[in-house]
Amino acid sequence: DQQVKQNSPSLSVQEGRISILNCDYTNSMFDYFLWYKKYPAEGPTFLISISSIKDKNEDGRFTVFLNKSAKHLSLHIVPSQPGDSAVYFCAASAQGNKLVFGAGTILRVKS
Amino acid sequence: DTGVSQDPRHKITKRGQNVTFRCDPISEHNRLYWYRQTLGQGPEFLTYFQNEAQLEKSRLLSDRFSAERPKGSFSTLEIQRTEQGDSAMYLCASSPEGRVAAFFGQGTRLTVV
Repeated sequence: DQQVKQNSPSLSVQEGRISILNCDYTNSMFDYFLWYKKYPAEGPTFLISISSIKDKNEDGRFTVFLNKSAKHLSLHIVPSQPGDSAVYFCAASAQGNKLVFGAGTILRVKS
Repeated sequence: DTGVSQDPRHKITKRGQNVTFRCDPISEHNRLYWYRQTLGQGPEFLTYFQNEAQLEKSRLLSDRFSAERPKGSFSTLEIQRTEQGDSAMYLCASSPEGRVAAFFGQGTRLTVV
């Protein structure tokens, strides 16, 4: 059973516009959520995270929003840049233990 | 500041052979994780260590898989009698205690022919 779901396999955005990547989860025990970015032939790189006690966390161009009642989180990238083109993984953790990942969304930023 | 290092980066092996991968975590990180990633999927948890103790193993991990972390430093993941279904990217990650975000190595890509 997929506990973390990223329902959009891919997303294409124009440079300078906003990219919004979505993620849904089913396990109510998850209390920490993360986004990772992955380039081909490299390991995932940590991007930004949010604790379940918050509903928003911002780091530069990246903002993560958490809606606990809907079990939904999203990553906003503003403005999008061509170098942001990568696969983005949503991940969740319960009590600081292992990460459970979604299947990823391929983001393509067109210049 | 060295990151997580994995060796080898690529491994091609014949079905039935044994393979061993090595992971060197970031030096001050006492947690070490192994994940496996196949095409079109996110990383799947295999096992993790806190120092030298293996605290959790996934049900995905068959008896052919074994991991060790002697002295709480580097770790090895061995796959015995490899099968074609073992072909995947094997990722190692580490984190300091108390921090959820793990830092990943570049992975070892295994191809079983």
